[in-house]
Amino acid sequence: GAVVSQHPSWVICKSGTSVKIECRSLDFQATTMFWYRQFPKQSLMLMATSNEGSKATYEQGVEKDKFLINHASLTLSTLTVTSAHPEDSSFYICSAREEGKGNQPQHFGDGTRLSIL
Amino acid sequence: DAKTTQPTSMDCAEGRAANLPCNHSTISGNEYVYWYRQIHSQGPQYIIHGLKNNETNEMASLIITEDRKSSTLILPHATLRDTAVYYCIVRVGNSGYALNFGKGTSLLVTP
Repeated sequence: GAVVSQHPSWVICKSGTSVKIECRSLDFQATTMFWYRQFPKQSLMLMATSNEGSKATYEQGVEKDKFLINHASLTLSTLTVTSAHPEDSSFYICSAREEGKGNQPQHFGDGTRLSIL
Repeated sequence: DAKTTQPTSMDCAEGRAANLPCNHSTISGNEYVYWYRQIHSQGPQYIIHGLKNNETNEMASLIITEDRKSSTLILPHATLRDTAVYYCIVRVGNSGYALNFGKGTSLLVTP
């Protein structure tokens, strides 16, 4: 079945550094991938839609210059948190859907827990 | 997307059936009902989806009322590993848009 892989699963870094998170669709191609963020005891909130070969679409309130998204191939999207600060600490999750196959569900990565010190 | 309403939390004894309800009274004719769950510190896991007929797979059964205004996810023999937050999401089937997650139902399976 469709599998989405996310890497790394856990990151701890100092304030001011940049962190890159990868999201791969392992056995299917996806022109669109989604990035969510989840704070403790809250539900998932959509951050942005990653589009292969074009610019990402960001949700209101999400800074595009801080959360850089690159979707250079049909199986890989990356999210880079630039100049990360403690308030960026969160659980970041990506998802993708196998396209061209009717009402296929979206599949999610296992998430990346980001802790900024 | 149609709005969904789920109970905040539920308990279930291990080995018993867990029945999780979802109301979606404003569902449109081309919208499917999707169920996902999120175990603590993991990404959401797809469980099942349906349009109007009842569906069953290796994980669960989905019962949709005839008027499609509500549905029930059934875990036939709940185990401790089924403890998770369960999300009912209504969405057009072939939509390329993201999923809108509500607060879901926190299911606790007890020994």
